[in-house]
Parts: sequence; structure tokens; C-alpha cells
Amino acid sequence: SAVISQKPSRDICQRGTSLTIQCQVDSQVTMMFWYRQQPGQSLTLIATANQGSEATYESGFVIDKFPISRPNLTFSTLTVSNMSPEDSSIYLCSVDSGMGANVLTFGAGSRLTVL
Amino acid sequence: GIQVEQSPPDLILQEGANSTLRCNFSDSVNNLQWFHQNPWGQLINLFYIPSGTKQNGRLSATTVATERYSLLYISSSQTTDSGVYFCAVEAWETSGSRLTFGEGTQLTVNP
Repeated sequence: SAVISQKPSRDICQRGTSLTIQCQVDSQVTMMFWYRQQPGQSLTLIATANQGSEATYESGFVIDKFPISRPNLTFSTLTVSNMSPEDSSIYLCSVDSGMGANVLTFGAGSRLTVL
Repeated sequence: GIQVEQSPPDLILQEGANSTLRCNFSDSVNNLQWFHQNPWGQLINLFYIPSGTKQNGRLSATTVATERYSLLYISSSQTTDSGVYFCAVEAWETSGSRLTFGEGTQLTVNP
């Protein structure tokens, strides 16, 4: 299955700043998924990123707050803009593992703390 | 949208004990997966099991799609089994490969 590398693994950020998270996959994938996991909570899908098209955002998430790039079939970025303490979460990149039927593989996550 | 309920929310075991985790879902699904999130946050896919039964070592899972539930069995638990177990489903009527996660079961295995 695909191997995903995420950077940064963790960061402490100041209120009002923005941070970009990178997701690199060791194989070409059609769709990449970005999830958010708030402290003690489950995972919520932020958006689906397809190469060559605009990302599709889930209800409650907007492009101005979470812009996504997908320049090729192995790479994507998620930016968390104008951060507030409520954005403190683990952000996870995920792809189809290649086993078919949308069986997901996850990166190790990026743990953000906003002060 | 589809609702996913997991039980119990928390479970504490002694090493060597067996356990059963449950996932109920509110609609027909074409995709159901079980994940383990270790204490460091890494999510590992345990099973893809929209129906039927699968086994992998000490873990096994059964999904009864017609009754809208899935069970994850852990036998002879070890401290390394600690973490959060998530069930995630995709409903038949959704498009775009969108998985909905349950709230998880927090498992603690004590030595």
C-alpha cells in the first residue's frame, strides 16, 4: 500500500498566522483526502483533492480558511489560514491504499497547537 | 447523512483478556473499515469489511450489513493494543468516496 509522508509532524503557531502542511505519497494517486481531528474527537473530512481540479470541500469548511493545492499525482498541501486556538488539531492526509474500494491509508498526521 | 455509533466509548482490560467492540450504522453501506489509532496518533487500517467475516492474527471482524452493525474482536489483548479504535463507513447513496467516522472506542490494556 501507499506510504505517506507528512510535514511538519507538529508545530506550535501564533494566533493569526497561517501554516502549510505537506503530504507526499510514494505512488501516484487520483484522490487525496484531508481530515481534521480535534482533541479527543473523531476524524472529520475537510476536503478531497483531485489533481488538476479544485478541491471539493465538505460542509463547514471553506477554501479561504483551508486552501488546498494538488500540483501532481503524488503531492498535496493544506494551508490553515489565520489560525485561532480552535484550529488546534491533528491534520491528516489520506489516500486510497490501492487495494480498491477506497481503503484508506493515512499519514502520521500534523499536530498543530495554536496559542 | 449516515450516523455511526460505536460502543463502548471506553474500555479498560487486563493483558490477556478478550474484548468486543461494536459499530452501528444508520443506513446501507458499501464500505466499512476499522482503524486503530495508536497513542502517538498514527492511524492503521485493520480491516476493510463491508460484509462477512475476516481474521488477522488476534483480531477478527464481522459485519452484518442487513442488520447494520459490525463487530471487532480482540483476543488475548496486549498493551500494544491500547489506543482508539474507529469504525468508518461509506453509504451507498454518497458519491466521491466519502468515509464517515464513528466517535471511537478508547481501549486501555494494562499489564
